[in-house]
Amino acid sequence: AQKITQTQPGMFVQEKEAVTLDCTYDTSDPSYGLFWYKQPSSGEMIFLIYQGSYDQQNATEGRYSLNFQKARKSANLVISASQLGDSAMYFCAMREGYSSASKIIFGSGTRLSIRP
Amino acid sequence: GAVVSQHPSWVICKSGTSVKIECRSLDFQATTMFWYRQFPKQSLMLMATSNEGSKATYEQGVEKDKFLINHASLTLSTLTVTSAHPEDSSFYICSARRQGRTNEKLFFGSGTQLSVL
Repeated sequence: AQKITQTQPGMFVQEKEAVTLDCTYDTSDPSYGLFWYKQPSSGEMIFLIYQGSYDQQNATEGRYSLNFQKARKSANLVISASQLGDSAMYFCAMREGYSSASKIIFGSGTRLSIRP
Repeated sequence: GAVVSQHPSWVICKSGTSVKIECRSLDFQATTMFWYRQFPKQSLMLMATSNEGSKATYEQGVEKDKFLINHASLTLSTLTVTSAHPEDSSFYICSARRQGRTNEKLFFGSGTQLSVL
């Protein structure tokens, strides 16, 4: 069964608009972490934001915020005031458990394209 | 600057040869590193979890004898693709986890594009 689901294969957004990228997850472990990464065409993986399952507040990092809805098991990424440089693949990932060996798995990704 | 260094960035080799990829955490100790494989326009597929001083934990369907992982120190993990074949051609990327008191990050290397002729 899919542990991390990203239902939007691709999205087009007008520059300066806000965009929400969807991510849902499935785990029975009460301790987990959620990540979002950006992968431009160069292939590098750029860390954007992290949310721990016990964090009371939604994580924010500059223009990025994570809309964490624990009961719904969703962790959507919100990018405010999108820029042309935001065009890239975006991956949601989850770590189950909190041991040093807990593995981190990725969703299928969303390709975001920003229109000028 | 990069906190995880992966080398080489790309390699072309003949079928049947072995290729070693190195992954180093530059400014922190990583007890755990992860190795992923990525096909064009697809997601990252976890191959194995590399634990310092112990055997790697491989994901289902990943051949242990084919993809040898060694994590000899807290800053270095290596992936050796043994007797490489064209179907092993792919983008391989390593990562190291740094856990802080209130946050954690997974830092990635720049990846290795392997082409087997």
